[in-house]
Amino acid sequence: AQTVTQSQPEMSVQEAETVTLSCTYDTSESDYYLFWYKQPPSRQMILVIRQEAYKQQNATENRFSVNFQKAAKSFSLKISDSQLGDAAMYFCAYGVGIQGAQKLVFGQGTRLTINP
Amino acid sequence: DGGITQSPKYLFRKEGQNVTLSCEQNLNHDAMYWYRQDPGQGLRLIYYSQIVNDFQKGDIAEGYSVSREKKESFPLTVTSAQKNPTAFYLCASSTQRGQRYEKLFFGSGTQLSVL
Repeated sequence: AQTVTQSQPEMSVQEAETVTLSCTYDTSESDYYLFWYKQPPSRQMILVIRQEAYKQQNATENRFSVNFQKAAKSFSLKISDSQLGDAAMYFCAYGVGIQGAQKLVFGQGTRLTINP
Repeated sequence: DGGITQSPKYLFRKEGQNVTLSCEQNLNHDAMYWYRQDPGQGLRLIYYSQIVNDFQKGDIAEGYSVSREKKESFPLTVTSAQKNPTAFYLCASSTQRGQRYEKLFFGSGTQLSVL
């Protein structure tokens, strides 16, 4: 079974600094997707960034970027110039397509605190 | 605006009672999903549906049932067989473009508590 592990239950960073959240996963599939979702106190799930496993280039979205190491099955998220609004739970997720649907497996989450 | 609507926002269940959580989407997505989130935990898949009138069990389907009579709607029933139903429930939907899958869109969730 696929598993996703986030080894950092909590992280904190000073405003404007850079922080990296770790994620590893286990799979025997060759075609899959990786995601980072943010869940603020409102509990709305917000997609931060998405990576397709067949793409070698690391995905970036403004201040958010990933370090995707396929052989090591590692998918870390880097947040640059941290802002107070980045404070949230961050979930790493692994997904595979199954005949029109996309099954996601989520990690346990990392709670990110931004210190002003 | 297109999106996913979950209702109610808060729901209370009495012992032995079945309750139904509503999920409606106007994104014209074929696939819909139900996830459960326990405090401080990640999401776990309960059921998913790839197409109308068809659905599949996820990782924790016991004590739950679903239906998919319309493309827009995917209600979840928490039955009395679910002994620990207190959790936050999230509905989601997605679509495909060719052979590639697009991101999941999530609703705002329903918090279910046991009285």
